[in-house]
Amino acid sequence: DGGITQSPKYLFRKEGQNVTLSCEQNLNHDAMYWYRQDPGQGLRLIYYSQIVNDFQKGDIAEGYSVSREKKESFPLTVTSAQKNPTAFYLCASSIGDIGSPLHFGNGTRLTVT
Amino acid sequence: GENVEQHPSTLSVQEGDSAVIKCTYSDSASNYFPWYKQELGKRPQLIIDIRSNVGEKKDQRIAVTLNKTAKHFSLHITETQPEDSAVYFCAASRGNEKLTFGTGTRLTIIP
Repeated sequence: DGGITQSPKYLFRKEGQNVTLSCEQNLNHDAMYWYRQDPGQGLRLIYYSQIVNDFQKGDIAEGYSVSREKKESFPLTVTSAQKNPTAFYLCASSIGDIGSPLHFGNGTRLTVT
Repeated sequence: GENVEQHPSTLSVQEGDSAVIKCTYSDSASNYFPWYKQELGKRPQLIIDIRSNVGEKKDQRIAVTLNKTAKHFSLHITETQPEDSAVYFCAASRGNEKLTFGTGTRLTIIP
């Protein structure tokens, strides 16, 4: 369905390589977010962006980088500096106002060996 | 920053019974409390939310209650059905700041 699209669904990389996860939304939302989901740890915020060309670190930003050159796109790069990169990554967007729900993508499962 | 604790981590209930999931938060200035449901293999989706100026909110079989004094809020699901089986996340935020999520509760409905 439309809304927010993450690709690919599964991604495999060798240790030491950077990898970029794609997130695109056609909801005209101002705010976009990247979360990491690990078993028993809930959703932890990596980075978020409330407007184009601006972004802020979340709670676990170390080893990750993002860009927000277009409103529709918020790619996440997992760098070789991230010590435990294997996880399920969720992208989300919202209109940005308090109380506006987060719309999530279907996620990308990254496995680094 | 905000810290949200969620209990229990797993919950099994008989179909037709009620389920209750509880969350506590640390920041007394938090004023928005949503609940998300994530079915197996799917994306999380908002099911209900409450703001700090309201003590309770209902939507059919689900309800959320908020106790600002004690800094806790709960999700109540009545007449549970198999499709209620999922992982549920609570969250909290204040102003226009980012949401902080709880660690999730895996709810299993036993037929």
